[in-house]
Amino acid sequence: AQRVTQPEKLLSVFKGAPVELKCNYSYSGSPELFWYVQYSRQRLQLLLRHISRESIKGFTADLNKGETSFHLKKPFAQEEDSAMYYCALKGFGNEKLTFGTGTRLTIIP
Amino acid sequence: GAGVSQSPSNKVTEKGKDVELRCDPISGHTALYWYRQSLGQGLEFLIYFQGNSAPDKSGLPSDRFSAERTGGSVSTLTIQRTQQEDSAVYLCASSPNPVYEQYFGPGTRLTVT
Repeated sequence: AQRVTQPEKLLSVFKGAPVELKCNYSYSGSPELFWYVQYSRQRLQLLLRHISRESIKGFTADLNKGETSFHLKKPFAQEEDSAMYYCALKGFGNEKLTFGTGTRLTIIP
Repeated sequence: GAGVSQSPSNKVTEKGKDVELRCDPISGHTALYWYRQSLGQGLEFLIYFQGNSAPDKSGLPSDRFSAERTGGSVSTLTIQRTQQEDSAVYLCASSPNPVYEQYFGPGTRLTVT
């Protein structure tokens, strides 16, 4: 079975402070991990995926297989980062996404 | 071009009635997915269509739920004899290929009274 855990439902961070949204997963093989974001009144969209190793909007995430984690980080939070963030996993040969319950990030001006 | 569209955007129905939710994927996308987002829950996979292959129905919560995809394009999710626990936002996503990014629609908010 595959499972994604996001331990923080709510996270508030001051503008300019570092941000870390936690994600842990459970999967017996080699997963593909994603972060999706949903801004207010917008649809869910892909933020980044671990295989591309990109930095999008200043966010990065490193897959740590030893700790089975895929935490999302940004060194300096901006007000426009306020949104709902979902961590998701895709198993090998299985095309569905398994999502965590999401973390609502609020950036305090 | 246009993104994934879903209709209706909101649906209120009485317990016991049947409802149909529609998804128009991005043109040319062969993969189509339905997910459900219940209050306080993450997004839950329901069903996946890929081309002409048999759909992956492993996420459907009960036999009251069914979905079809006509002509490899538009998909309809049907919920029969709706229950209050079916109240949720139903999201559709499509992808040009299963290994690529999934593009999500705006969702249909279903309320069962």
